Amino acid sequence: GEDVEQSLFLSVREGDSSVINCTYTDSSSTYLYWYKQEPGAGLQLLTYIFSNMDMKQDQRLTVLLNKKDKHLSLRIADTQTGDSAIYFCAEAGVRNTPLVFGKGTRLSVIA
Amino acid sequence: DSGVTQTPKHLITATGQRVTLRCSPRSGDLSVYWYQQSLDQGLQFLIQYYNGEERAKGNILERFSAQQFPDLHSELNLSSLELGDSALYFCASSVGVAGGEQYFGPGTRLTVT
Repeated sequence: GEDVEQSLFLSVREGDSSVINCTYTDSSSTYLYWYKQEPGAGLQLLTYIFSNMDMKQDQRLTVLLNKKDKHLSLRIADTQTGDSAIYFCAEAGVRNTPLVFGKGTRLSVIA
Repeated sequence: DSGVTQTPKHLITATGQRVTLRCSPRSGDLSVYWYQQSLDQGLQFLIQYYNGEERAKGNILERFSAQQFPDLHSELNLSSLELGDSALYFCASSVGVAGGEQYFGPGTRLTVT
């Protein structure tokens, strides 16, 4: 079945760039998503990329997709303490199937 | 604020009991999803309803059931509760049946003692 893998922890200094990586197994994935979960809150959609794209930029966020290696990354430029959260990668496979989430990467930003 | 509401925010109950969690989706959204989040299992998809009909089923135990009502709100029923059912339960909603862009509620924290 589908599987989405992420590293569990990442620690960066304020002002540096953060790169959160994700690998997935379903080659039929159509969209790939990044969600953010702040402490005590639900998940919030950050951005997504369609599988025929290589890159998407949205302000401080850059999503890179390597479809051949089934590798997705989220780069956060100029990371701030407010970016401390858990980031989930998710993939949507064949049409109408539920999202498959990774276990989440906990980003800690050190001032 | 995502527009998705969940009640109650916290629930403490004993093993063997039954509880009902409630979710109201964003206005206009027809799909409702239920997830369980625990430290060891991560975020697990339980079940999806679309416009009142069950659409997809994930790792939902037989002791758990859900439904979506004509006004599109949904309820998740958990029965014969065990200690391991203690978790955060999230509801999410989306416009269509294929819901990549999901909007999550704030969750219900269930503690089973």
